[in-house]
Amino acid sequence: KAGVTQTPRYLIKTRGQQVTLSCSPISGHRSVSWYQQTPGQGLQFLFEYFSETQRNKGNFPGRFSGRQFSNSRSEMNVSTLELGDSALYLCASSLARGTGGDDEQFFGPGTRLTVL
Amino acid sequence: AQTVTQSQPEMSVQEAETVTLSCTYDTSESDYYLFWYKQPPSRQMILVIRQEAYKQQNATENRFSVNFQKAAKSFSLKISDSQLGDAAMYFCVYNNNDMRFGAGTRLTVKP
Repeated sequence: KAGVTQTPRYLIKTRGQQVTLSCSPISGHRSVSWYQQTPGQGLQFLFEYFSETQRNKGNFPGRFSGRQFSNSRSEMNVSTLELGDSALYLCASSLARGTGGDDEQFFGPGTRLTVL
Repeated sequence: AQTVTQSQPEMSVQEAETVTLSCTYDTSESDYYLFWYKQPPSRQMILVIRQEAYKQQNATENRFSVNFQKAAKSFSLKISDSQLGDAAMYFCVYNNNDMRFGAGTRLTVKP
């Protein structure tokens, strides 16, 4: 079974631009979560989508948004990029059999975004 | 707000020996889940072990085991018979509708 894939793997943008990152979950997984990983802040939860609906959201500004399609693929968008948005963005999928939060998350390789 | 603290930024262990990684967390919830994930260098993050807060029995997965102390809000990971492939960044994670990661502990395994 194919793992979680993320595209693109690397991206360079300039301040003020916007960017869209894509995540394809493992087949059959209904939940997709996004995380930001930086050396200073570590790993931080952005949001989770389940059945095309945002189910949970972390503490990030409205410039960060996402969506999930009917095939469970998800996209994350960051508008008006700032230098501090430079990070590794990780996507993870899970079966989400329930809402208890005990599902194993399967992570993708990440998209490394550099904002100049 | 729930926070997760890993007080050991780096740890080192000799191959075949045992090492324990520490983790404490802060929460007012009674039902939640705890995980240890590992992120090998340039490789994807994978689950090591998970623990449900309402279960008193400590989880075990082969050479990996946890010491879960709910009252103390402590969740340490013990790796027995350490192998070179165990070298990675280890993250302690708290989950109650949103995943909270600790800062990570970088484990080095010496041959």
